[in-house]
Amino acid sequence: GDSVTQMEGPVTLSEEAFLTINCTYTATGYPSLFWYVQYPGEGLQLLLKATKADDKGSNKGFEATYRKETTSFHLEKGSVQVSDSAVYFCALSVSRNSGNTPLVFGKGTRLSVIA
Amino acid sequence: DAGVTQSPTHLIKTRGQQVTLRCSPKSGHDTVSWYQQALGQGPQFIFQYYEEEERQRGNFPDRFSGHQFPNYSSELNVNALWLGDSALYLCASSPPGLAGYEQYFGPGTRLTVT
Repeated sequence: GDSVTQMEGPVTLSEEAFLTINCTYTATGYPSLFWYVQYPGEGLQLLLKATKADDKGSNKGFEATYRKETTSFHLEKGSVQVSDSAVYFCALSVSRNSGNTPLVFGKGTRLSVIA
Repeated sequence: DAGVTQSPTHLIKTRGQQVTLRCSPKSGHDTVSWYQQALGQGPQFIFQYYEEEERQRGNFPDRFSGHQFPNYSSELNVNALWLGDSALYLCASSPPGLAGYEQYFGPGTRLTVT
């Protein structure tokens, strides 16, 4: 079945450090890929998305590129801030004749940024 | 524009009891999905409702059931609660034409079963 694997946390960085959170996927068909963020005590917010190979999603300084050849969608940010501390989830959905499949999530990566 | 809302925020139930969680989708959205998020895990899909019918279902037992009303709001019912049902329950809504593709999540209901 469809699945998402992302690097285990927690990840602890100093403010202004470079961030990479790895995400790889397995899917039958052509998935759309997403990164969601969950701040403490809150629900999930869509951070960015990409719908086809080589697309780059970006938002709030975060970027991720849909790499079909490596089945990856790694999240990056050049300079993290304390306010970026949260749990990040990689997810996918596949378009099929019957409609889009529900989101399949990775286990999440907790990021802590210290001043 | 109000986003997805869920009630209650927190709930404590005893094993064997029944619970109902509620969700109001984002304005203009017609599809509602429910997810269970256990502590330290990613959300797991329970089911999705569209036009008042269950359209897709994940790997959850029949103890989990739902309903969608004509105004697109939805309920999740869980019967015969187990300790393992303790989790954050998330509701997500999708706009017409993008069901299951781009979903907007509510803040969740934290269910504790003792």
